[in-house]
Formats: sequence, C-alpha cells, structure tokens
Amino acid sequence: DVQLVESGGGLVQPGGSLRLSCAASGFTFSSHWMTWVRQAPGKGFEWVANINEDGSEKSCVNSLKGRCIISRDNAKNSLYLQMNSLRADDTAIYYCAKTHPGYYSDWGQGTLVTVSS
Amino acid sequence: DIVMTQSPLSLPVTPGEPASISCRCSQSLLHSDGYNYLDWYLQKPGQSPQLLIYLGSNRASGVPDRFSGSGSGTDFTLKINKVEAEDVGIYYCMQGLQIPVTFGQGTRLEIK
Repeated sequence: DVQLVESGGGLVQPGGSLRLSCAASGFTFSSHWMTWVRQAPGKGFEWVANINEDGSEKSCVNSLKGRCIISRDNAKNSLYLQMNSLRADDTAIYYCAKTHPGYYSDWGQGTLVTVSS
Repeated sequence: DIVMTQSPLSLPVTPGEPASISCRCSQSLLHSDGYNYLDWYLQKPGQSPQLLIYLGSNRASGVPDRFSGSGSGTDFTLKINKVEAEDVGIYYCMQGLQIPVTFGQGTRLEIK
C-alpha cells in the first residue's frame, strides 16, 4: 500500500523558515512526479509546488516564489519543501501527494504549519 | 489561472437518494490526448482528501460504483447514485491541466 508521511510542521514566527519532509513507501518513488498542496484552516486547497521524477523540473506557486524550494532524494524515498520568510497566510496543513498526469492518486495525512508570533 | 466553480456549496441529501454536484471551469480542460483533466476528491471529516474520479470519468481504485463522473470541456458533474451515510464530507473538483493546479470551493454533503 502507498504510504506518504509528512513531518516537519510546527509553530514558527513570521519571517522564519521551515523544512517539511514527506516519506514515501509502497511504490516506486523515483518514477513519479510529486506535489505539495496546502489547506488553510477551514478553507479549500491550494497547489504549492511540484517536482519531476529526477528533480530537474520544479515549480512553486506565485505567492511563494523566491521563498519556496522543493526537492527530493530518491535514494531516501523522500520529498522536501523548504519555505522561507514565512507569513501568517502560509498557515495551513501541508500535504504531499503522489502525482500522475492530471491527478493525485494518494495523499499523506498532512503536517500543520502555524505562522504566528 | 483556471477558475473552478462548484455548485451547490451545500447539499443535504436523504440516504438512498441521488445527489449531483456541478463543476464549471473558466477554460476547457480537454487535453490533446483526448482526456479531460478534471478530477473529483472527497475530504471526509478529519481526513486528508481521497481521489474519487480522475480524468473526467474514471473511478479510482476502491471507489464504489455509485459514484460517477461525466462532462467535457468546461462543464462536469459528479453523481452519487444512492447516497450513504459514509459519503458525508466535502467534495472538490480539481483541474490538472495546467500549473497552477486549481480546485473548486468545495461542496459540503450532509445527511438529512
């Protein structure tokens, strides 16, 4: 069975940084694009970033441009999201998702990031 | 960005009755490969989203056949044949055609 386990969330002050991780198992991680999606408390979903199979193609949402680095380590079956200069509106649950062309077949349980002083 | 508009936003349903959710998109989701890049997800209370329907009309693995997706271009529909109590939650449509991927606002299905 596919498992995606996010970690690294927590309380961070405005302007701070966090590195989220997603540990993948149950599938050939290196064969799939991966995506981060977030959900602000009580709100809908916002696409955050994606990365291709070998990490050579990556993209971040405009609101995080210059503050977001998505990466992966296929040897460790892990996906990462580094976010800098965090703001209150970055507060959300961050999910990683196994990605297929056009859809996300599996999602992790999410990790909560709270940006507050 | 492609704008996704769902209706209704709230959907009270009697168990055993059918339910239908509409999703309209600001531009066509028909890809040159012939697929519509429109998916449906359900987020049950306290859980992460789960894929129901992908590429317009394909039921995901393990999804009961009372769920079906239809539509093409800019207009799509999710239908639940006979609603069960376990179907409560928020249903989202999502376009996977272009980055940024965008989602509808969500439709909250509740049992009457």
